[in-house]
Amino acid sequence: AQKVTQAQTEISVVEKEDVTLDCVYETRDTTYYLFWYKQPPSGELVFLIRRNSFDEQNEISGRYSWNFQKSTSSFNFTITASQVVDSAVYFCALSDSNTGNQFYFGTGTSLTVIP
Amino acid sequence: DAGVIQSPRHEVTEMGQEVTLRCKPISGHNSLFWYRQTMMRGLELLIYFNNNVPIDDSGMPEDRFSAKMPNASFSTLKIQPSEPRDSAVYFCASTNSRGFTEAFFGQGTRLTVV
Repeated sequence: AQKVTQAQTEISVVEKEDVTLDCVYETRDTTYYLFWYKQPPSGELVFLIRRNSFDEQNEISGRYSWNFQKSTSSFNFTITASQVVDSAVYFCALSDSNTGNQFYFGTGTSLTVIP
Repeated sequence: DAGVIQSPRHEVTEMGQEVTLRCKPISGHNSLFWYRQTMMRGLELLIYFNNNVPIDDSGMPEDRFSAKMPNASFSTLKIQPSEPRDSAVYFCASTNSRGFTEAFFGQGTRLTVV
């Protein structure tokens, strides 16, 4: 079975604070892919990052960074020095061959950055 | 590229009417997904096509829902008859492989059934 858990339903931070969004996944497959998407108030779903199961190297892109740890089945997302424009719902997703390569999404974390 | 194009952006219809949502995937993409998003259930995968063939439609809620992909550049999701509980945002997404690359989403169709 595949499952993506985003335990944090809502988070509020004050601008310039750092914030980490948690994502825990379950899969029996050894080859799988993890994704993060952003859904701003305008409603579109914007792709942020993809990570495959063989690459545990952390990644940094500007103020965004991702920490992939297979030992804990986690793929957490950190925003450094948050800005009001970061306010959105963030989704973690999983795809593996057992699912027919479909994308399974977590329930999302709603982030509000307070100016 | 124009991205994934969905139409209409908004649809308001009366209960019992037929509703057709349309999607044009990114050119060259061979996988297409239909999702439904509601506050209660989040993002649900309804159906998944690969090379125009439905691979998994287990997420389609009931027989009132049907989806087709007559060619690589067009897909429809039809609800007949529509019910108020079908009110949601429907997203179409496409990718250029069988899931091992990111999916690109359209802007969604907000459906309201009154």
